[in-house]
Amino acid sequence: GAVVSQHPSWVICKSGTSVKIECRSLDFQATTMFWYRQFPKQSLMLMATSNEGSKATYEQGVEKDKFLINHASLTLSTLTVTSAHPEDSSFYICSATPGTGNTEAFFGQGTRLTVV
Amino acid sequence: SQKIEQNSEALNIQEGKTATLTCNYTNYSPAYLQWYRQDPGRGPVFLLLIRENEKEKRKERLKVTFDTTLKQSLFHITASQPADSATYLCASPTDSWGKLQFGAGTQVVVTP
Repeated sequence: GAVVSQHPSWVICKSGTSVKIECRSLDFQATTMFWYRQFPKQSLMLMATSNEGSKATYEQGVEKDKFLINHASLTLSTLTVTSAHPEDSSFYICSATPGTGNTEAFFGQGTRLTVV
Repeated sequence: SQKIEQNSEALNIQEGKTATLTCNYTNYSPAYLQWYRQDPGRGPVFLLLIRENEKEKRKERLKVTFDTTLKQSLFHITASQPADSATYLCASPTDSWGKLQFGAGTQVVVTP
């Protein structure tokens, strides 16, 4: 099956700093990738849709200036959490789907962000 | 608004028995539903997809049903094993580009 690689797996940062998370599709091209956030014991909540070569589409309630998304190539999307605060601590997961529509989504391993 | 719901209570089951999980949706009619497995600290892994015109889908010890009248999908793990212990998520598409809405997930614990 297709592989999506996410890096880093975990990161600890100080309040006020920025953190970048990378999501790569290793064996397929992805014009669209998705970023989710998951709090403990809760389900995945979609944050934004990352579109190659254009602006990301953010879900309602997600601050686009805080969660910067860049999809510069067909295999790489990055999520930057700017001016991180402890409440941003969460599990961030990306996904991509080879092709469109009715196919399975492949997820990265996730990134555990802890802001201290 | 579109909702997809799973029983959030953990399901404790003895090894060898069948685990049955429920996924209900309201206010929309998804063209398909997907089921994923998620282990702690990991991203979800795809298990099965079932389309609205399919009644049942099987993969090894897994079986999924889709009842559009009841607006419900059932996920069965037969002959369960401790290695099946995980959280199982159902998901439905919200657009044609792969955007998914997930249920809260049901944790399954299989004891020897």
